[in-house]
Amino acid sequence: EAGVAQSPRYKIIEKRQSVAFWCNPISGHATLYWYQQILGQGPKLLIQFQNNGVVDDSQLPKDRFSAERLKGVDSTLKIQPAKLEDSAVYLCATQTSGRQFFGPGTRLTVL
Amino acid sequence: GENVEQHPSTLSVQEGDSAVIKCTYSDSASNYFPWYKQELGKRPQLIIDIRSNVGEKKDQRIAVTLNKTAKHFSLHITETQPEDSAVYFCAASSFGNEKLTFGTGTRLTIIP
Repeated sequence: EAGVAQSPRYKIIEKRQSVAFWCNPISGHATLYWYQQILGQGPKLLIQFQNNGVVDDSQLPKDRFSAERLKGVDSTLKIQPAKLEDSAVYLCATQTSGRQFFGPGTRLTVL
Repeated sequence: GENVEQHPSTLSVQEGDSAVIKCTYSDSASNYFPWYKQELGKRPQLIIDIRSNVGEKKDQRIAVTLNKTAKHFSLHITETQPEDSAVYFCAASSFGNEKLTFGTGTRLTIIP
C-alpha cells in the first residue's frame, strides 16, 4: 500500500491551462487505475490499465483527458484544457490479489 | 452499470458505542465488497473486504456482513474510539470486471 507514489501533491492552474499527473505503482502490480474524487463524493473511475493496455476508459472525458502507461509501469494523466469542474483529487491505485491500494493523490484546483 | 447507495451520510456516536453503515448495490453479478476509510486530506485506506462466498467477516473491532439475496452489506465498528472518526466508503465490483463502484460516503464522528 505504501508503495503507490504520486506527484505533484498539489497543483493550482487557471482554466484552459493544461496539467499532468504522474503515478508510480507498487512494483509488479500489473493493474493500475486513475480515479477522480470530487469533494464530498466517492472516487469515480476514469481509466483502468492492465500492463500498458487500456481495459476500461468508458468514463474518461476523452475530449480533454488522456492517460498513458508506457512500458506498463509509471502512468501519466493529462488534462488539456482544464475546466473549473475538473477541480478534484486525482487518485492512482494499483491492485494485487483483487485488492486496490491508493496513492496519496494530487489535489487539483482550477481557478 | 453498478450503482451503490450508502447510508447514512453522517453518523455521530458516543465513544465506546457501536457504529453501523449500510450499503446496497444493484448488480447481482457483484461479488467483491471492500470498505475504505479516508481521513481528511489522506488517501482511502482499505480496512476490510468481503467476497460473496461468505456472509460475514471480522477483524478485531471491525466486521462486515453481506446479504446477497437482498443485495446489501454493512460495516460494523464496535467499541468506537476517537481515531475511528473519518469518512467511510463502501464499494462493489464483479469478478472479471474489477472496476470498483463507490458509495457516496459516511462521515463518522466519534464523540469523546
